[in-house]
Amino acid sequence: GAVVSQHPSRVICKSGTSVKIECRSLDFQATTMFWYRQFPKQSLMLMATSNEGSKATYEQGVEKDKFLINHASLTLSTLTVTSAHPEDSSFYICSAKRDPRSLDIQYFGAGTRLSVL
Amino acid sequence: QKEVEQNSGPLSVPEGAIASLNCTYSDRGSQSFFWYRQYSGKSPELIMFIYSNGDKEDGRFTAQLNKASQYVSLLIRDSQPSDSATYLCAVAGAGGTSYGKLTFGQGTILTVHP
Repeated sequence: GAVVSQHPSRVICKSGTSVKIECRSLDFQATTMFWYRQFPKQSLMLMATSNEGSKATYEQGVEKDKFLINHASLTLSTLTVTSAHPEDSSFYICSAKRDPRSLDIQYFGAGTRLSVL
Repeated sequence: QKEVEQNSGPLSVPEGAIASLNCTYSDRGSQSFFWYRQYSGKSPELIMFIYSNGDKEDGRFTAQLNKASQYVSLLIRDSQPSDSATYLCAVAGAGGTSYGKLTFGQGTILTVHP
């Protein structure tokens, strides 16, 4: 299979704190991982593309200093929401591609529901 | 702006019927197309992917692709209440800065009633 683990599943934090979300590919190496955000009743919006050993590529309108992405190994990417505010409350989902040459199949983690008070 | 359009529904079908979900896309160069199922509060789960024109069948699911019309669909035969979910159409970017990235449609809510 292609299992992607995401942790934590739910976070409740106070405004101004930073939150780190981990995304791990458990049974394959993922040179490319993606981070999405989903607001209620909306579709997934790509935030950034994370490549192992290089800087993440952010989509237009996503603040790279607020959403820090680190892809330090072939099985782990982290997203840190810095100085979180209530408007950052959302469902954050990571995905991973098994093979950069593959037919673009992305496998998704279970998601992290962030609530900022 | 690469776009993927779906009818948001909700689509309601009786148990045992065929559910038909449709999707159109704007990037004519796109080569890879995916259908994901998302239950409320959960992350998307891959159901089908298709790359070639025509039909692709997997159990109760059939994906259909028509690149000339820039149209992809998903048929669910013998629909079950457990199929009730939001179905997301996703299209992989063909080149440039969108290469390898998925653009999702807004999703179609399917309800299968007993």
